[in-house]
Amino acid sequence: NAGVTQTPKFRILKIGQSMTLQCTQDMNHNYMYWYRQDPGMGLKLIYYSVGAGITDKGEVPNGYNVSRSTTEDFPLRLELAAPSQTSVYFCASSYETYRTGIHGYTFGSGTRLTVV
Amino acid sequence: KNQVEQSPQSLIILEGKNCTLQCNYTVSPFSNLRWYKQDTGRGPVSLTIMTFSENTKSNGRYTATLDADTKQSSLHITASQLSDSASYICVVSANTGFQKLVFGTGTRLLVSP
Repeated sequence: NAGVTQTPKFRILKIGQSMTLQCTQDMNHNYMYWYRQDPGMGLKLIYYSVGAGITDKGEVPNGYNVSRSTTEDFPLRLELAAPSQTSVYFCASSYETYRTGIHGYTFGSGTRLTVV
Repeated sequence: KNQVEQSPQSLIILEGKNCTLQCNYTVSPFSNLRWYKQDTGRGPVSLTIMTFSENTKSNGRYTATLDADTKQSSLHITASQLSDSASYICVVSANTGFQKLVFGTGTRLLVSP
């Protein structure tokens, strides 16, 4: 049981390049999330998904896209990378019920992205 | 505006000593409060989670308290170890149907030998 796995761990991009950050979970969680963590700031939600085929914007979605074709995978796509997207990106998953709330919230180990 | 504020921003203590980290929040409607430990270069790992009706919860040498009336929480670390050096993040969940997590900026703890 690997939990939440993110790849790559590190990446340097040039301005204008694009890339996909991969995230997969093996806990059969219905909810998945992408966060970014900037120095001295709390984690900010980029996008989230409540199940396969369903995604929605978080607090800071501009410049990113996501898809959720399977329960396990939730890739984050950066188009036209900008220096403002230099950050550490965390994927997370949970299972959740409306009545009892969030359970099993688990984070991946992160992807450190630098845009130069 | 939903906010979570933590203090101090950073803290240095000697190995074996105790310390207390503070968290104040203005998240509404409140659902639960979590403390996470984040080692350098790693993702946050859950230490405790408390709902409205819980005043205290322990996880080994970590004890979290919650005062829902004053909207304050604390994390007490007993007999600190070098491995406790990390950032400690307070996270409050708003009960808004999709439960939104509001993250504090963390307290960076360094345990010195």
